[in-house]
Amino acid sequence: GAGVSQSPSNKVTEKGKDVELRCDPISGHTALYWYRQSLGQGLEFLIYFQGNSAPDKSGLPSDRFSAERTGGSVSTLTIQRTQQEDSAVYLCASSPPGGYQETQYFGPGTRLLVL
Amino acid sequence: GENVEQHPSTLSVQEGDSAVIKCTYSDSASNYFPWYKQELGKGPQLIIDIRSNVGEKKDQRIAVTLNKTAKHFSLHITETQPEDSAVYFCAAKGGANNLFFGTGTRLTVIP
Repeated sequence: GAGVSQSPSNKVTEKGKDVELRCDPISGHTALYWYRQSLGQGLEFLIYFQGNSAPDKSGLPSDRFSAERTGGSVSTLTIQRTQQEDSAVYLCASSPPGGYQETQYFGPGTRLLVL
Repeated sequence: GENVEQHPSTLSVQEGDSAVIKCTYSDSASNYFPWYKQELGKGPQLIIDIRSNVGEKKDQRIAVTLNKTAKHFSLHITETQPEDSAVYFCAAKGGANNLFFGTGTRLTVIP
């Protein structure tokens, strides 16, 4: 079946502009995660959604970052007033419900470059 | 919080040889340990995972071992092939919602 999809695949923006990144999780997956991967680094957790529960925002680096998940499916990560240090690959992952919900499947990522 | 360390950062092996990547974790509550393979320009792909109720798991040429006492786990790839060349990440999860990742190992298999 279809995996996690993300759009756009690449985004170039100017410092100070807002950007929106989109994630479509695997159908039926109830959990959705956003991570950030800076060049040559591991993945840094940003935010977690599970069903209708309040999201876990503990990884968001500043109040310029926000995310929402509409209808328990598609999610949008918004970065306001982008800075050059926001340049990174933004990865989305989803997990199925049930006993193995910690198993996370990743999308291809959105490569963000802030000039 | 959890801290995952991964070694080595780069690894080159001859085709057909074995490759071993090691990770340590700090939180004794962690109980789930996946390994991901990331090829250039792609997202991480889950290749194998292990839960804390077992010490070893194998899937064809790939195996993972877990030592809960020492808080370390390892990825073993046997009979390496050029298509195994990629960056490999270990991760750990306990009570938190998210995975904690190591910093990655760039594996190069030399034909």
